[in-house]
Amino acid sequence: GEEVAQTPKHLVRGEGQKAKLYCAPIKGHSYVFWYQQVLKNEFKFLISFQNENVFDETGMPKERFSAKCLPNSPCSLEIQATKLEDSAVYFCASSQWQGARGETQYFGPGTRLLVL
Amino acid sequence: AQSVSQHNHHVILSEAASLELGCNYSYGGTVNLFWYVQYPGQHLQLLLKYFSGDPLVKGIKGFEAEFIKSKFSFNLRKPSVQWSDTAEYFCAVTHTGNQFYFGTGTSLTVIP
Repeated sequence: GEEVAQTPKHLVRGEGQKAKLYCAPIKGHSYVFWYQQVLKNEFKFLISFQNENVFDETGMPKERFSAKCLPNSPCSLEIQATKLEDSAVYFCASSQWQGARGETQYFGPGTRLLVL
Repeated sequence: AQSVSQHNHHVILSEAASLELGCNYSYGGTVNLFWYVQYPGQHLQLLLKYFSGDPLVKGIKGFEAEFIKSKFSFNLRKPSVQWSDTAEYFCAVTHTGNQFYFGTGTSLTVIP
């Protein structure tokens, strides 16, 4: 597709429940990025993939967060045992290349996760 | 660690006023610089970017930005704002081509 697609648009979970978010990158893009936007403004990088391989996971909380990008499937970000502080908008972005200078990341509409 | 500062958190302007939003970054090496806009209820859209060449970059909707290497700055400008420019504006920097480092954003409100 021509746009990054994210589902669901909204997700409500009780504390301790699992949350799973999906992202379909732009067709032909090899790199996928996940960001967490808390309190409307601050973006935090979580993880990036080159195709199905983890490229950089320095931002991922180790305990409860996991992510995958499998061939012929949307990428996913899963939060086990959600906590109140996980409430945020989760953005997925994709880019065609990583090594090229000035490579733009194209963002999806985000998934708004609310943990009650 | 890389950091990006946007000193203007909230800006309120009347239509036709000129706009300048500040962005400073901390990395001393070669960088790629971006400005994104997030209109109410919408996702991030690219306004403009710089990676080499002319430090004055022109983007969409009449926006431009100037990269001043000596000041580690990439300020966004528009000579005459419109009500439709009301949005959140984010400066972003990358130096590896991998993750973006975002500023905390500037909320712009344009009063008709």
